[in-house]
Amino acid sequence: DSGVTQTPKHLITATGQRVTLRCSPRSGDLSVYWYQQSLDQGLQFLIQYYNGEERAKGNILERFSAQQFPDLHSELNLSSLELGDSALYFCASSVGNSYGYTFGSGTRLTVV
Amino acid sequence: DAKTTQPPSMDCAEGRAANLPCNHSTISGNEYVYWYRQIHSQGPQYIIHGLKNNETNEMASLIITEDRKSSTLILPHATLRDTAVYYCIVRVNNFNKFYFGSGTKLNVKP
Repeated sequence: DSGVTQTPKHLITATGQRVTLRCSPRSGDLSVYWYQQSLDQGLQFLIQYYNGEERAKGNILERFSAQQFPDLHSELNLSSLELGDSALYFCASSVGNSYGYTFGSGTRLTVV
Repeated sequence: DAKTTQPPSMDCAEGRAANLPCNHSTISGNEYVYWYRQIHSQGPQYIIHGLKNNETNEMASLIITEDRKSSTLILPHATLRDTAVYYCIVRVNNFNKFYFGSGTKLNVKP
């Protein structure tokens, strides 16, 4: 157990639907990062939050949004889902910007 | 971010040392070298990082050349559980995000 909790572990939904993925960072970590990993693809950085504020954006689609709440947990919202959104979505956390991240075990999203 | 180049795959016999190379010829003076691994769709796992000096921890050793243009991750006694994709990443330590490349698929064979 890495200390970063992601729920749900698996999610199957239909095209056009909206889902919310949740991440609880390690205790004491202020930064949360979201990554997407499609089949046979590398890890693509989506977005980072630090202590409730958006800090950096990567290749995140306009249909996707995220937020970090006062208790530091984060949610990634994916809407108007397409088949191509099927992927593993990982959350990671760190104390600040330094050193390494700790990744969660991911949410596997399947869009049918 | 500086780019890294890694071989797509490598084989290693169980019990032998696994030496995974990484080229980062455009690395800047304030960029660190990080290594992560991902075991079969699990979340990536931090292994080690360094700036100039060689580093060792309970998992691995990191050897960085004097000119810092390349590095080698050494797993001293590879086991079957070390079969994974290993990512070499360079990053300014106070920069926001890691960019993961394609990595090296290490196959540890009995």
